[in-house]
Amino acid sequence: DIVLTQSPALAVSLEQRATISCRTSQNVDKYGISYMHWYQQKPGQRPKLLIYEGSNLVSGIPARFSGSGSGTDFTLTIDPVEADDIATYYCQQSKDNPYTFGAGTKLELK
Amino acid sequence: EVQLVESGGGLVQPGRSLKLSCAASGFTFSHYGMHWIRQAPTKGLEWVASISPSGGSTYYRDSVKGRFTISRDNAKSTLYLQMDSLRSEDTATYYCATGFGPAIIPYYFDYWGQGVMVAVSS
Repeated sequence: DIVLTQSPALAVSLEQRATISCRTSQNVDKYGISYMHWYQQKPGQRPKLLIYEGSNLVSGIPARFSGSGSGTDFTLTIDPVEADDIATYYCQQSKDNPYTFGAGTKLELK
Repeated sequence: EVQLVESGGGLVQPGRSLKLSCAASGFTFSHYGMHWIRQAPTKGLEWVASISPSGGSTYYRDSVKGRFTISRDNAKSTLYLQMDSLRSEDTATYYCATGFGPAIIPYYFDYWGQGVMVAVSS
């Protein structure tokens, strides 16, 4: 299985930039597409898709969220961070079955 | 509006069975692959199983193969997960999910249900 590694937590100040990383144990690019996706989950809520295929912003998601990276190293950037962004963020790969998720990065206020 | 509503969860003893349902609305259910994804208490997300739009193809994570069965009734716009020989490590909130991407079986998840809790304990 492809293993996705995320830092457990990240402390950030409001209106600053948050950079959340996800490293995969194998390349998740294929045919020019990065099979890497990002979700936000707040306590007691279902996950919400933010970014798909590495860098595509889901309709309705604020432009302060962006995704980048390729191969085995990916980043979710939130700039600037707002209070409503405090949540846990998960990366997910779908290049190979089983689809796997990172353990999540909890974004906290500094 | 796309809606996915799970039901059928509860407390069950190890070794027993439970069947989850996911009622879909707001889209043409028969056109889209579906998934079950679970989340153990205070833990991360784990893909469990997926099914093609027709139901002809199914996929499972190794730890549930032979114990769980994913199925669908397109006439009722409902997805199912039959869970047999349940173990304590199956305790989790189970979400049904789908996506409207380019693949027959979505590989990212635009839409999630609210989740249903399954607790396996004696």
